[in-house]
Amino acid sequence: KAGVTQTPRYLIKTRGQQVTLSCSPISGHRSVSWYQQTPGQGLQFLFEYFSETQRNKGNFPGRFSGRQFSNSRSEMNVSTLELGDSALYLCASSRQVSEKLFFGSGTQLSVL
Amino acid sequence: DQQVKQNSPSLSVQEGRISILNCDYTNSMFDYFLWYKKYPAEGPTFLISISSIKDKNEDGRFTVFLNKSAKHLSLHIVPSQPGDSAVYFCAARVNAGNNRKLIWGLGTSLAVNP
Repeated sequence: KAGVTQTPRYLIKTRGQQVTLSCSPISGHRSVSWYQQTPGQGLQFLFEYFSETQRNKGNFPGRFSGRQFSNSRSEMNVSTLELGDSALYLCASSRQVSEKLFFGSGTQLSVL
Repeated sequence: DQQVKQNSPSLSVQEGRISILNCDYTNSMFDYFLWYKKYPAEGPTFLISISSIKDKNEDGRFTVFLNKSAKHLSLHIVPSQPGDSAVYFCAARVNAGNNRKLIWGLGTSLAVNP
């Protein structure tokens, strides 16, 4: 069974640009969550989707948005990138909302 | 207001000895607790979990203890191995009606010295 797949693995952008990250969950998993990790800041929760509906949302500005498609695949978008958005962005999937999460390897985003 | 606290940012242990990682929580509505291990530049991997109706769960070298009265969770690794060197996160699930989400601690960096 394939794990959670995140693309791209690495990304370099400049300030002001926007970026879209992609996540394919484990087959049969209907919930997808997104997290941001920066050094010393632990795992900061962004949002969680289940059956194309956002179920939970963290404390991030509106520049961070996401969506989930009918096949459970999810995308996360960050608009007007800032230097502080440089981080490892992690996607995780689970069968139900807030169940045991299976994480992908992450997308390392660098904003210059 | 941090509901899940891992008060030790780092821990150093000798190979073969026991590693004890701790987690304190404040919310009595937590019904499920999980431990994850994370290597640099990788996603966290699930280690072990425990339901709030239990006080101990064991899986190989890993044992999680839950003390509900003290609102305290601990992960024991015996014996510790150099490959256990990683950041460990505890997470707790709040489950109140339609509100169900995971709350994460900030992590403890474990170094197991050969």
